[in-house]
Amino acid sequence: KAGVTQTPRYLIKTRGQQVTLSCSPISGHRSVSWYQQTPGQGLQFLFEYFSETQRNKGNFPGRFSGRQFSNSRSEMNVSTLELGDSALYLCASSPLGGERSEAFFGQGTRLTVV
Amino acid sequence: KNEVEQSPQNLTAQEGEFITINCSYSVGISALHWLQQHPGGGIVSLFMLSSGKKKHGRLIATINIQEKHSSLHITASHPRDSAVYICAVRNLQGAQKLVFGQGTRLTINP
Repeated sequence: KAGVTQTPRYLIKTRGQQVTLSCSPISGHRSVSWYQQTPGQGLQFLFEYFSETQRNKGNFPGRFSGRQFSNSRSEMNVSTLELGDSALYLCASSPLGGERSEAFFGQGTRLTVV
Repeated sequence: KNEVEQSPQNLTAQEGEFITINCSYSVGISALHWLQQHPGGGIVSLFMLSSGKKKHGRLIATINIQEKHSSLHITASHPRDSAVYICAVRNLQGAQKLVFGQGTRLTINP
C-alpha cells in the first residue's frame, strides 16, 4: 500500500504570493490532518478534514485554508505569504480520524518564503 | 507551560546503551503517540498508547494514565536510532487534534 504522498517536496515563494500544497492519503483513509513545523514553535495543528468536511481547526489566521476532495486527497492554501510562514508542512492520514486512530505522516513540504 | 513536556531535550549516548525518553502531559487524553523524525522531515509513527505498555523490536513504550506520564525506551541502541523523538497526545477536549511535545534529539555514537 502506498504511503501518504505530499507534493511538492520543496517550494520557494516570495512574500505576498500564495501557495497550494497537496496531500494524497493512504488508500481508504478518510481523515487528513495538516501540521506546521517550525524551529521556534515545533509542530502545530492546522486543521483536519474528514469526508470533505473540516472537523477541527487550529489557531492559525484565515490566510491558511484547506479542502478535501471526494477521493480524500487534500490541499492546503496559504495566501499573502509572510516570512514567518517558512516551515515544514506535514499531513497525516488515518482511516477514520478521531481519538483512537493512528496517524500516518507524509514526508512533508518544505516551504521557504523569501 | 506547554501541555506536553519532554525530557531530555537532547541526548547523546554510545551504541548499545539503554535509552529512556520521558513525556509528561497536563490534560486528559484519549491516546498518546510516539513519533520518530529523521533529518529531511518525514515522521514515522512508532506507537499509539492509551494504557499499559507496547513493544516493537527494540522499542518499548509505557504509559501511566494516573501520573500523566509516558516513557519511550530503546534497548541496545544503534546509530541508526539517531533521530528526533516526539511525544504527542490527543486531548479529550479536541479529539481530532494532536498536541506535540518539543521533541528529544537523540544521537547514538558508534
